[in-house]
Amino acid sequence: AQSVSQHNHHVILSEAASLELGCNYSYGGTVNLFWYVQYPGQHLQLLLKYFSGDPLVKGIKGFEAEFIKSKFSFNLRKPSVQWSDTAEYFCAVMDYGGSQGNLIFGKGTKLSVKP
Amino acid sequence: KAGVTQTPRYLIKTRGQQVTLSCSPISGHRSVSWYQQTPGQGLQFLFEYFSETQRNKGNFPGRFSGRQFSNSRSEMNVSTLELGDSALYLCASSLALGGGVADTQYFGPGTRLTVL
Repeated sequence: AQSVSQHNHHVILSEAASLELGCNYSYGGTVNLFWYVQYPGQHLQLLLKYFSGDPLVKGIKGFEAEFIKSKFSFNLRKPSVQWSDTAEYFCAVMDYGGSQGNLIFGKGTKLSVKP
Repeated sequence: KAGVTQTPRYLIKTRGQQVTLSCSPISGHRSVSWYQQTPGQGLQFLFEYFSETQRNKGNFPGRFSGRQFSNSRSEMNVSTLELGDSALYLCASSLALGGGVADTQYFGPGTRLTVL
């Protein structure tokens, strides 16, 4: 069965530092990959997604992610974080085993940005 | 375009009771999925409905059930509540283009269920 690993449980950065959050999935083959963000007190929002094509995808708020098929990875990056990026970040893989309604989520990474 | 809406936003129940949660998808979206979010287990898939039929189901006991109406609105029911059912229940909707075509799920704010 598909599984998703996020390597860091909690990351603490100062403003303007660069960010990279790791995400690995277990299943090879066609995958659709997502990063969602949950700001404090708010609901899950789509940050970016990869379906096919250019493995470097750009999302909202200056975030980007790179899909590396050989490493089963989809790491999230941002060159310079802001205090407002403090949130929990979830990597997810769409499992098309039976149909297309099953997102497999990682455990999430909490990002705290110090002003 | 209005987003996914969930009602109620907060709910307190006692063990043994049952509860029904409601989800209205984004207009035009035909698929509704439900997830449970807890600090210990994270986000876990419950089930997905499409055209009033359950298409996919996660590893939850039969106490968790759902349905979808002809207007794509969905309800989730949990019977015989246990303390461990305390969680944030999230609903997500998508276009469900079919045939394995890549799709995106959009989430509602969730219903916070507390079981005492």
